Amino acid sequence: EAGVAQSPRYKIIEKRQSVAFWCNPISGHATLYWYQQILGQGPKLLIQFQNNGVVDDSQLPKDRFSAERLKGVDSTLKIQPAKLEDSAVYLCASSPLTHSGRKAGELFFGEGSRLTVL
Amino acid sequence: GDSVTQMEGPVTLSEEAFLTINCTYTATGYPSLFWYVQYPGEGLQLLLKATKADDKGSNKGFEATYRKETTSFHLEKGSVQVSDSAVYFCALRETSGSRLTFGEGTQLTVNP
Repeated sequence: EAGVAQSPRYKIIEKRQSVAFWCNPISGHATLYWYQQILGQGPKLLIQFQNNGVVDDSQLPKDRFSAERLKGVDSTLKIQPAKLEDSAVYLCASSPLTHSGRKAGELFFGEGSRLTVL
Repeated sequence: GDSVTQMEGPVTLSEEAFLTINCTYTATGYPSLFWYVQYPGEGLQLLLKATKADDKGSNKGFEATYRKETTSFHLEKGSVQVSDSAVYFCALRETSGSRLTFGEGTQLTVNP
């Protein structure tokens, strides 16, 4: 079974520029997550989708970050304009729903997209 | 809000040494607890989990017991190998949702 695919693996941009990251979850997984992992810290949830609807975006800096999951499959995370403090690894994860369909099951993570903002 | 605190790293051990990485948590309700591992150049992988008090999760020689009385979920392994060198993250999932809250991670290096 193919894992969670992310691209690009690495991106270097100047501050105030924009960047987009793409994620293709494991086939059939209803729930998709974007996490931000700053060097030396644990991952922090930015946004969670279930199918194509947003479940939790309480920690997403909405003035500069946006995400979409059209058609409930792959997803794009955009940062515009980027700041120095956005330098981090952006992790995408997906999970199936449990048998009851009420909760997400185990999370499977992609390898991440490393962003450096100069 | 929910939080996870891990012992500060990095941790450096010799092969076959005993490993303990401490993890304590703060949460309302009865969260599920997890250990994730991140090998160099790879994504996070679930190592083990426990969903209720006194449960013991185990995998690849690693163990952790969910201790509600001490709000802890310490990771242990009796004899580490060089291949165990990685960053280990403790995490919790709140009772009602699916969001994972992670600790800051502990870098483990095992020398031959």
